[in-house]
Amino acid sequence: DSGVTQTPKHLITATGQRVTLRCSPRSGDLSVYWYQQSLDQGLQFLIQYYNGEERAKGNILERFSAQQFPDLHSELNLSSLELGDSALYFCASSVGRGDSYGYTFGSGTRLTVV
Amino acid sequence: QQQVKQSPQSLIVQKGGISIINCAYENTAFDYFPWYQQFPGKGPALLIAIRPDVSEKKEGRFTISFNKSAKQFSLHIMDSQPGDSATYFCAATYESNDYKLSFGAGTTVTVRA
Repeated sequence: DSGVTQTPKHLITATGQRVTLRCSPRSGDLSVYWYQQSLDQGLQFLIQYYNGEERAKGNILERFSAQQFPDLHSELNLSSLELGDSALYFCASSVGRGDSYGYTFGSGTRLTVV
Repeated sequence: QQQVKQSPQSLIVQKGGISIINCAYENTAFDYFPWYQQFPGKGPALLIAIRPDVSEKKEGRFTISFNKSAKQFSLHIMDSQPGDSATYFCAATYESNDYKLSFGAGTTVTVRA
């Protein structure tokens, strides 16, 4: 157990729908990062939050949004889902804004859009 | 655009053999180069990392070799074991980027007993 908790583990939904992925960081970690892992794009950085504030955006679609709550858990909202959004979504956390000793990843949420 | 290019895509090695994975980068701002190991159904886990001020780092059976002038780095897995069968990702990052990771495409290593 890495200490980063992601729910749900699996999600199957239809095109056009909206889903919410949840991440609880390791105790004491203030930064949360979201990554998307797909077969054709590999691991892509989506967005980073630090202590409730958006810190940086990567290759995140406008249909996707995220937030980090006062208790530091984070949610990634995916809307108007398309088949191509099917992927593994990972959350990672680190103590500071960036941790040179690496992040801790959760086990991911596997999203299947049908 | 992949900022870190990784090869090979997959490799098969006999137990006790050496696995070698290569990565190359262009962005000279990168100052931290971690390797992650990922087992099926799990998230990536930090395996070993190096900074460009050293040419080699060894931790157990895992060694990173770093060539700053060539902008290349590689992972060597010595005495490969079946438990090493996993996907390995190289990555690169830098402090002013809050250490956001740019990953290579990954290499699936299969160690045959």
